[in-house]
This record gives sequence, structure tokens and C-alpha cells, in this order.
Amino acid sequence: NAGVTQTPKFRVLKTGQSMTLLCAQDMNHEYMYWYRQDPGMGLRLIHYSVGEGTTAKGEVPDGYNVSRLKKQNFLLGLESAAPSQTSVYFCASSLLLVGYTFGSGTRLTVV
Amino acid sequence: AQSVTQLGSHVSVSEGALVLLRCNYSSSVPPYLFWYVQYPNQGLQLLLKYTTGATLVKGINGFEAEFKKSETSFHLTKPSAHMSDAAEYFCAVSDREDSSYKLIFGSGTRLLVRP
Repeated sequence: NAGVTQTPKFRVLKTGQSMTLLCAQDMNHEYMYWYRQDPGMGLRLIHYSVGEGTTAKGEVPDGYNVSRLKKQNFLLGLESAAPSQTSVYFCASSLLLVGYTFGSGTRLTVV
Repeated sequence: AQSVTQLGSHVSVSEGALVLLRCNYSSSVPPYLFWYVQYPNQGLQLLLKYTTGATLVKGINGFEAEFKKSETSFHLTKPSAHMSDAAEYFCAVSDREDSSYKLIFGSGTRLLVRP
């Protein structure tokens, strides 16, 4: 089925470890986004991309890096995980104003 | 910068009662406006959106929202709540002058439906 696929779905990291979250979409969307969701705070934009090879900072970019080497993939990296990065991470893709298509999320716990 | 406020982190209604979830935006130029729903352990699903034209917008599952420029509001309503409507609802805005189509989300309202 067409959509946005996030891997992994769950992960537990130790403080200081690194990891990469993968987001893949098969809808040929130009725009892709990474959000984090924390209780009572809604979704906050981490980084986004308006096309292959482009990335930009969102509202809460510190501690994260991203890459969009291929149009269909948007990777979110944590170089040195901190407990404050415990969250649920959502990837989304968009075709102009049709609306976002969201992945099912990655639940990350940093201990 | 754009911001969006959702009044009430939790709203509780009886099954069959009117649902009203409130959303206000901050910008002087009306943004694009969206409502999303999130069921437990799932991603967000688009309910409806307002970009231009008719200010009363109908969405999925019997929900609708009305854009009121004078009140900078985009409240979500449903005439009769169903148990399956229990979920978290997010209002979101996108700046009309921002070509990245970034969405700024409100903090969410959890809807509880009592039998």
C-alpha cells in the first residue's frame, strides 16, 4: 500500500549512543518532514526537506541531523542521544497543500 | 511567527452530544488551516482543511469546521458524538507565504466520549 513507512517502530538507546531513523515514501512527494510528539506539546518540527538534496531546520533541530539523498527517503540521525530526546517521532510527506501523509511513528526511549 | 492555540486539553461529551473543539490562530494574514485526528498508537490522519473558498468545510466521519476571520478561529464540530470519535485532535496552520508548506500544530485536544 502507498504511504509513509518508518523504521524502526521502537528503540531503546543508552545516553550517548547514536542511531538513524528511516522514513520512506512511495508517493513521489517532494516535501518531507520530521516531527517529535511529546505529551501536552503537540507535534514540533525538527527538520524538513523541500526536495531531493535539500534540508532545513525546523523549530527544534538541536541534537538532530538529517539527509535526503534520494527523493523517497528522509533520514533522521541522533549523534549522541540524550534523555531529553525520548519521544515519539513522526515522519510525514506532502504534495503541496493536499495534506500530509504521516508514518505510524517511532517510539524512542533514551535511558 | 505562526502559532495556534487549542483551548482545552481534554473535552468530555456523552455519546450523541455535540462535539466542539476550539482552535485559534495568531497571524494577521489567515493561514491555511487543518484538523488532524490521532487514534492511539497511530499516526495522524487528515480530517479536513481550509485553503480558500467556502468558509464551512466538511470533512470525514461527519466532522466540519468553520473559518471565521473576524475571530481568527477554526473550530471543529460534529453534531452527534460516537464512541469511535474518541481520539486526540490537532489543529494545524501553514503560512500562505511559506513555500515549504510547514505545518505548525496546536498542543492537541483529547476527546473522551461517555456511553
